Amino acid sequence: KAGVTQTPRYLIKTRGQQVTLSCSPISGHRSVSWYQQTPGQGLQFLFEYFSETQRNKGNFPGRFSGRQFSNSRSEMNVSTLELGDSALYLCASSLEAGVPEAFFGQGTRLTVV
Amino acid sequence: QKEVEQNSGPLSVPEGAIASLNCTYSDRGSQSFFWYRQYSGKSPELIMSIYSNGDKEDGRFTAQLNKASQYVSLLIRDSQPSDSATYLCAAEGGGGSYIPTFGRGTSLIVHP
Repeated sequence: KAGVTQTPRYLIKTRGQQVTLSCSPISGHRSVSWYQQTPGQGLQFLFEYFSETQRNKGNFPGRFSGRQFSNSRSEMNVSTLELGDSALYLCASSLEAGVPEAFFGQGTRLTVV
Repeated sequence: QKEVEQNSGPLSVPEGAIASLNCTYSDRGSQSFFWYRQYSGKSPELIMSIYSNGDKEDGRFTAQLNKASQYVSLLIRDSQPSDSATYLCAAEGGGGSYIPTFGRGTSLIVHP
């Protein structure tokens, strides 16, 4: 069974640009969550999607947004990139919304210069 | 502000010893607790979940939960060098929310 797939694995962007990251969950999993991981702040929850609807949102500015498609694949977008957005962005999938066991993808390493 | 606290370590143990990792959480309403292992440069991997007070064993791993003390621990028996990683504790479910709060992680080093 294939795991959670994130693309791309690495990205370098310039301040002010926008970026879109993609996540394909484990087959049959319908809930997708996104996290930001930095050395200073640790692992922080961005948002969760289930059935194409955002169910929960963490404490991040509106520059961070996401969506989920009918096949459960998800994308997150960061607009007007700032240096502080440099981080490892992780996607996790779980079977259903509210099922707490989550399985993480390999992440996208975003560097903003 | 929900918080999960872990000692950053590193915790160094000899091969074959028991490694004990601890975590406290601030939200008394938290219902679900998880331990993730994260190797350097890799993504977190779920190794244990626990929902009820007491112990839960899975192979060499035992998770312990004490809701009265708001305390979660992970014991790794017969520690191996391959167990060297950062262990993240997470708590979820307070107030009907399914948003997990993660600790910063404890670095474990198992030396031969």
